[in-house]
Amino acid sequence: EVQLLESGGGLEQPGGSLRLSCVASGFTFSRYFTTWVRQAPGKGLEWVSSISSSGDNTYYADSVKGRFTISRDNSRNTLYLQMDSLRAEDTAVYYCTKAHIGAFTVGHFDVWGQGTMVTVSS
Amino acid sequence: EIVLTQSPATLSLSPGERATLSCRASQSVNSYLAWYQQKPGQAPRLLIYDASNRATGIPARISGSGSGTDFTLTISSLEPEDFAVYYCQQRKDWPITFGQGSRLEIK
Repeated sequence: EVQLLESGGGLEQPGGSLRLSCVASGFTFSRYFTTWVRQAPGKGLEWVSSISSSGDNTYYADSVKGRFTISRDNSRNTLYLQMDSLRAEDTAVYYCTKAHIGAFTVGHFDVWGQGTMVTVSS
Repeated sequence: EIVLTQSPATLSLSPGERATLSCRASQSVNSYLAWYQQKPGQAPRLLIYDASNRATGIPARISGSGSGTDFTLTISSLEPEDFAVYYCQQRKDWPITFGQGSRLEIK
């Protein structure tokens, strides 16, 4: 079964840091772009960041650029999101997703994790 | 940035009726558009990719059409499990963008 399992969310103060992880199983992780998407409480979906299958190319939303870092370890089938200088507006459920096709494209998102909640508050 | 505008914001229909949701892009996305369904407390689910291709396990009553800037998601005969929020998403250009969502509610 194809699965993504996120962890690392929690309560953090403004200005603090968190590191999210997403462990993949059931598919060849190293062949696919992977992406973080977030959803603030009661709001819509927001793309956060994507990383190419090799990890050589990364992409960020303007709202997180310079504060968040996406990375991956293909030997561990794991995607990461290092979140620094957190703000209240980063409060959201963070989903890890997989591209619907392999090769060199971000694709659409055919597999989603269950999400991990990040709350930024003093 | 490509802005996706969905309409209507809310659609109230009864089971068995036909639902038509729209997504309009601020510039052409070719056919690089997807539709997702989200139910309360759940992750989104991919329904349609690249404008008109059903994802694995999606029933034939759900279809997508369009290209360029105007896209439609159609559910031919609503089942109780179809009442949810629907989002469109483009992958033509960075940044990836989503529409604001359309809620399909039971009348």
